[in-house]
Amino acid sequence: DTGVSQDPRHKITKRGQNVTFRCDPISEHNRLYWYRQTLGQGPEFLTYFQNEAQLEKSRLLSDRFSAERPKGSFSTLEIQRTEQGDSAMYLCASSFPGLVDPYEQYFGPGTRLTVT
Amino acid sequence: GENVEQHPSTLSVQEGDSAVIKCTYSDSASNYFPWYKQELGKGPQLIIDIRSNVGEKKDQRIAVTLNKTAKHFSLHITETQPEDSAVYFCAPGAGSYQLTFGKGTKLSVIP
Repeated sequence: DTGVSQDPRHKITKRGQNVTFRCDPISEHNRLYWYRQTLGQGPEFLTYFQNEAQLEKSRLLSDRFSAERPKGSFSTLEIQRTEQGDSAMYLCASSFPGLVDPYEQYFGPGTRLTVT
Repeated sequence: GENVEQHPSTLSVQEGDSAVIKCTYSDSASNYFPWYKQELGKGPQLIIDIRSNVGEKKDQRIAVTLNKTAKHFSLHITETQPEDSAVYFCAPGAGSYQLTFGKGTKLSVIP
């Protein structure tokens, strides 16, 4: 399968714990995006990388959230001191440079986080 | 920021009928207009997109039409099949990265 992959698919954690999610983009896609989706809503943009550089962060990304893409390939999203409000689906997408911005974004299956 | 609205929020059609979902947006700088399909437990799947220099695009049973003056674009699905049942999102974009998703339309195709 050459699509975007995410790991784990499901994560249950207790309030106050730290969690980390991984995203592997489609090969040769230089842009990688993180979104959050709550039940009954559309995905909301969190942050994105071009190669290893984090170029934009949404105000939704509080200081408990940190994302990295150290070698411009896979990315990790860490949430520290989780809260019940962090329960959501965390989606990763990637894109390949096209002729015109914005580029087509292809999504992974998501990681569903439940904070108890 | 961009304000995106989708209508209707739910849509039920008989198999074989057509379905139309409309998306209105507020940012006149938007220049990219994709539609995504999301099935239960899966990530959104890009099904069709259009750019602002084109008024209509068709791919087999799916088409997207754009009215930039009125700031809306629509998804048209003809000859609907049960496997078309899913939640559909519009996500207009401007600039280099950000897509703003609507709240989704749940389409049910009744066999």
